[in-house]
Amino acid sequence: EDQVTQSPEALRLQEGESSSLNCSYTVSGLRGLFWYRQDPGKGPEFLFTLYSAGEEKEKERLKATLTKKESFLHITAPKPEDSATYLCAGVGAGNMLTFGGGTRLMVKP
Amino acid sequence: DAGVTQSPTHLIKTRGQQVTLRCSPKSGHDTVSWYQQALGQGPQFIFQYYEEEERQRGNFPDRFSGHQFPNYSSELNVNALLLGDSALYLCASSRTGLSEAFFGQGTRLTVV
Repeated sequence: EDQVTQSPEALRLQEGESSSLNCSYTVSGLRGLFWYRQDPGKGPEFLFTLYSAGEEKEKERLKATLTKKESFLHITAPKPEDSATYLCAGVGAGNMLTFGGGTRLMVKP
Repeated sequence: DAGVTQSPTHLIKTRGQQVTLRCSPKSGHDTVSWYQQALGQGPQFIFQYYEEEERQRGNFPDRFSGHQFPNYSSELNVNALLLGDSALYLCASSRTGLSEAFFGQGTRLTVV
């Protein structure tokens, strides 16, 4: 059974304090690893897709990386507007997204 | 591009009732998936529709059913509602052969 685990469950940072979110996965025949941002009461907003180990993608203060077992979302010098829940999901042979529980990020000014 | 749109945004139903949620996919997308997200948890896959047929199904009872129309829009139906069905229901659309899935804003269902 495909499984995705995210850590930590919650993270509090001061503005400007860089950190990383972890996503460990066991997805059969991984075809893509996705990162989404979700604000309270809203649908997930697509951030990145990573397809193979060693791949990296960046968007503003966010950088996603992928290994054969994990993905990391690095947040550099975060701002309060980066506060949200970050979701990681894998797509395997089953052609459906298997999500982790998310990391709730709070950035204080 | 309107993106993925869902209706209604909020809904309150009584136990035992039936509900229908609707989704219009992003322009150019032909595959629609439905997810259930309980408070504080990640979304759980319900099922996926392509070419008007259910292509994949998650671990949800038969009370959950769906439909896809020729214009690729989709409906999620839930019968005999339980209190535990209260959740945010998300629709995601994608294009066949591509992995990227884009989500709507969700429908918040409350069962009382």
